[in-house]
Amino acid sequence: DAKTTQPTSMDCAEGRAANLPCNHSTISGNEYVYWYRQIHSQGPQYIIHGLKNNETNEMASLIITEDRKSSTLILPHATLRDTAVYYCIVRVGGATNKLIFGTGTLLAVQP
Amino acid sequence: GAVVSQHPSWVICKSGTSVKIECRSLDFQATTMFWYRQFPKQSLMLMATSNEGSKATYEQGVEKDKFLINHASLTLSTLTVTSAHPEDSSFYICSARATGLTNYEQYFGPGTRLTVT
Repeated sequence: DAKTTQPTSMDCAEGRAANLPCNHSTISGNEYVYWYRQIHSQGPQYIIHGLKNNETNEMASLIITEDRKSSTLILPHATLRDTAVYYCIVRVGGATNKLIFGTGTLLAVQP
Repeated sequence: GAVVSQHPSWVICKSGTSVKIECRSLDFQATTMFWYRQFPKQSLMLMATSNEGSKATYEQGVEKDKFLINHASLTLSTLTVTSAHPEDSSFYICSARATGLTNYEQYFGPGTRLTVT
């Protein structure tokens, strides 16, 4: 699976949009981009995933560049409860799809 | 939907004893479950992949005789830490992949904090 690079930490003001970048320059054509988050001392929570089209759900939007070498997770109106470590993971879809976690981005939403 | 539970949520045991952690998919069947370990201020490290009815596949560097995994049904996988030592103290998290879905999402349990004294 391709390696991802994320900033170590980011701050965001409450109520503002949080834009979390992820670089995955070695991504292959059949690899998906997944985002999970982990609030302190809890199990990770699935947020969203995509292959090449932009995706939106009730939690967030995922913007994938046309060359698929990077993506951005957007939380449209960050709240204090969105403070967490956000993981961007690239992997092949299918039966042998392990999730390998990198170091992630610690998003701190400030009041 | 897609809830995964773990039991216990935390456990303290003495060095040399064994501890069993259960992972259950509550509202779906899971052919495959995964076990992770997380040390303080570190990321999750995949330990093993557990497939229902077959032997688990361990990641490199994980001792299969120390971390026994059993996946006897489509809703239950167990991790037994045998002869526990203080360095095994960690946050153990399982995840489950639902059978039959095409997006292969994984759903994570809340984790089990193990402290070995």
